[in-house]
Amino acid sequence: KAGVTQTPRYLIKTRGQQVTLSCSPISGHRSVSWYQQTPGQGLQFLFEYFSETQRNKGNFPGRFSGRQFSNSRSEMNVSTLELGDSALYLCASSPGLLLTDTQYFGPGTRLTVL
Amino acid sequence: GQQVMQIPQYQHVQEGEDFTTYCNSSTTLSNIQWYKQRPGGHPVFLIQLVKSGEVKKQKRLTFQFGEAKKNSSLHITATQTTDVGTYFCASLGSSNTGKLIFGQGTTLQVKP
Repeated sequence: KAGVTQTPRYLIKTRGQQVTLSCSPISGHRSVSWYQQTPGQGLQFLFEYFSETQRNKGNFPGRFSGRQFSNSRSEMNVSTLELGDSALYLCASSPGLLLTDTQYFGPGTRLTVL
Repeated sequence: GQQVMQIPQYQHVQEGEDFTTYCNSSTTLSNIQWYKQRPGGHPVFLIQLVKSGEVKKQKRLTFQFGEAKKNSSLHITATQTTDVGTYFCASLGSSNTGKLIFGQGTTLQVKP
């Protein structure tokens, strides 16, 4: 099976702009989770979508939002970008039927905010 | 909020030496997962432990889940340069809500 894919791989934006990141899960997986990885804060959970519904949410401001489509592909949107949003954004997919399912991570999108 | 503390943050070892990283929580954990992230790469799942006192082995890697399910360790015997990377523990915590909480990670450097 093909792995998790994320597009774009690299992105440079300026403060105040918005950005949309895309994640295609492994075929058959219905859960997609998003994480932010920074050197200072490590890996932090943003949210999880299962069957087009947000099932879990981390402690991030409302500027961070997401959605999932009927084919399980997911998008994450960040509005009004701040310098501190510079990070590696990782998505992970899993079958989603068990909370303890293995997470399969994509290669990530490296976002730089200038 | 729930936290999983991981130590040490960095470890430099000579090739052939052993390495251990520890995860600790003040609350009982429902599970522990371990991931490895190579430099420039993404986290890759290694193993999951769910039972109290559970021990699992993968070649030179030994994973343990504490009896009280509040701590876990990953031990690598006779490190090799291919072991270089950052090792993360992660858990659903005690509430098992589906939010995966990651430790800060331990970055391992192996000198040949």
